[in-house]
Amino acid sequence: GAVVSQHPSWVICKSGTSVKIECRSLDFQATTMFWYRQFPKQSLMLMATSNEGSKATYEQGVEKDKFLINHASLTLSTLTVTSAHPEDSSFYICSAFPTGFPEAFFGQGTRLTVV
Amino acid sequence: AQSVTQLDSHVSVSEGTPVLLRCNYSSSYSPSLFWYVQHPNKGLQLLLKYTSAATLVKGINGFEAEFKKSETSFHLTKPSAHMSDAAEYFCVVTPRTGGFKTIFGAGTRLFVKA
Repeated sequence: GAVVSQHPSWVICKSGTSVKIECRSLDFQATTMFWYRQFPKQSLMLMATSNEGSKATYEQGVEKDKFLINHASLTLSTLTVTSAHPEDSSFYICSAFPTGFPEAFFGQGTRLTVV
Repeated sequence: AQSVTQLDSHVSVSEGTPVLLRCNYSSSYSPSLFWYVQHPNKGLQLLLKYTSAATLVKGINGFEAEFKKSETSFHLTKPSAHMSDAAEYFCVVTPRTGGFKTIFGAGTRLFVKA
């Protein structure tokens, strides 16, 4: 089956620093990937759609300058949380749809804690 | 527009008794519907999917769900709960046309009592 790998699985950073999260499709190409955020005891909220070779599409209320998305290749999308603050602490998950599959495949998630 | 409503935020059952997690959807397009399970601090695991074939869908770990278009429902059931089923369950809708924007329900926390 298709595999989406996320790295790191957890990260702790100081307030004001930036953190990069990687999402890779290991055995398929993904022209589109999706980034979600999940706060404790809440559902997943779509943040943005990452498009290979073009700008990401952000959902309403998501700051594009704070959450930088780069999709430079068909197997890698990155989410950079810039100038992180404690309120950015959350579980971030990426997903992609391999060709021929109706369901999304999700990465393992990244637990970000900003102290 | 699409939306998913999970009717119960928490469900508590005893081990060995049936499980019912309720989901209603709204979609402008013919939807594909999914149930995912998430254990604490873990990613998402696909339980089962409906994509316009059989309306009764069987998934992993003994779970199944029935797509009822007239009721716009896709409830998840299991005949006999196991302690390891305790987790968060998400009902998810994705349009089969018009893009792959996936919408999650709010989630249902399943508690299983010994």
